[in-house]
Amino acid sequence: EVKLLESGGGLVQPGGSMRLSCAASGFTFTDFYMNWIRQPAGKAPEWLGFIRNKANGYTTEYNPSVKGRFTISRDNTQNMLYLQMNTLRAEDTATYYCASESVRAFAYWGQGTLVTVSS
Amino acid sequence: DVVMTQTPVSLPVSLGGQASISCRSSQSLVHSNGNTYLHWYLQKPGQSPQLLIYRVSNRFSGVPDRFSGSGSGTDFTLKISRVEPEDLGDYYCLQSTHFPRTFGGGTKLELK
Repeated sequence: EVKLLESGGGLVQPGGSMRLSCAASGFTFTDFYMNWIRQPAGKAPEWLGFIRNKANGYTTEYNPSVKGRFTISRDNTQNMLYLQMNTLRAEDTATYYCASESVRAFAYWGQGTLVTVSS
Repeated sequence: DVVMTQTPVSLPVSLGGQASISCRSSQSLVHSNGNTYLHWYLQKPGQSPQLLIYRVSNRFSGVPDRFSGSGSGTDFTLKISRVEPEDLGDYYCLQSTHFPRTFGGGTKLELK
């Protein structure tokens, strides 16, 4: 059974940094692209970026809306996905999800972790 | 960015009835490899989105055949027949043909 479990969310001040983690299990982690997606309360989801699989060199792609502030990485020895977020703004407040990808769709999602940017 | 426009925003339905949701894109979603990367999700209250339909018309694992997707180019439809209580929630389309990947604004399926 595929399981994705995000952690690391909480309250952070504007201008601060935060690192989110996603623990993956139940599938061969290195075979899959992994994505981060966020969803402000009551709004549609927004794709943030992904990191490719082993066959594609673990390269990354980002939404221009966060490029330069957010960095996606993975630890394939621990089956972990990370999202480093810097220079956080109030508009970054959202629930953050990790998701595995198959046929270019976000096939499996975690339960999400809430990030609140406020002073 | 490719803009995904979903209609209606709210869709009241009766249990056992049929629902139809439209998703239109600002550009063609046909990839250079010939595939069309348009997908549908359902987000039940308090839960993460779950994949229903991938690549226009393919049901994901475990999705009942009451759900069907169709369309091409820039115009796509999700149909739900014989609506059941567990079908209520927010539906989103997603395109992954172009970067950045973009979602529609959502359609809330609720009881009439």
